[in-house]
Amino acid sequence: SQTIHQWPATLVQPVGSPLSLECTVEGTSNPNLYWYRQAAGRGLQLLFYSVGIGQISSEVPQNLSASRPQDRQFILSSKKLLLSDSGFYLCAWDAGDNYGYTFGSGTRLTVV
Amino acid sequence: AQTVTQSQPEMSVQEAETVTLSCTYDTSENNYYLFWYKQPPSRQMILVIRQEAYKQQNATENRFSVNFQKAAKSFSLKISDSQLGDTAMYFCAFGPDSNYQLIWGAGTKLIIKP
Repeated sequence: SQTIHQWPATLVQPVGSPLSLECTVEGTSNPNLYWYRQAAGRGLQLLFYSVGIGQISSEVPQNLSASRPQDRQFILSSKKLLLSDSGFYLCAWDAGDNYGYTFGSGTRLTVV
Repeated sequence: AQTVTQSQPEMSVQEAETVTLSCTYDTSENNYYLFWYKQPPSRQMILVIRQEAYKQQNATENRFSVNFQKAAKSFSLKISDSQLGDTAMYFCAFGPDSNYQLIWGAGTKLIIKP
């Protein structure tokens, strides 16, 4: 069966520090991968998606970047965090078969 | 542009009651998919139910069912015999057949009261 792992669960980082959030999928190959951000009590904002290794599409210009160094690995990064980067970050995958996304458990990021 | 609208920011019902969450969408496509996701306080997003637009029969999953009205572009979620564990944010999502990216509604916060 397929599983998705996202870590860390919680992160408190100072302004100006770097960021690396990791997401890996097991039990499938060539998944579509997504990074979302969610403000408290709000909806989902798509940040990046990837349909293959090295293929990254950005939806929102911002202080963040994403990379896909391996087929089932998706990384969200920042060189210098801003206060406005605080939020709940969700990784998701799907097989491109219109059966919906499977989400990771999320990372709560607080920039102080 | 394709949009998804959830007009109820928050709802609350008593335990064991039936509740209906509304969702409307706008699209010019004929083939697409619709989803309801649940996000409990743990914030884990969980797929509740899925509907294929070319199927007239409404999808059901145990206590969860949908009322899909394609002409009206409406996709409501009915929760029967509501339970305390149903307390969550519920998101409606639209998936065009031509593109696997989902378009999300803003969510409805559902509170089940004991």
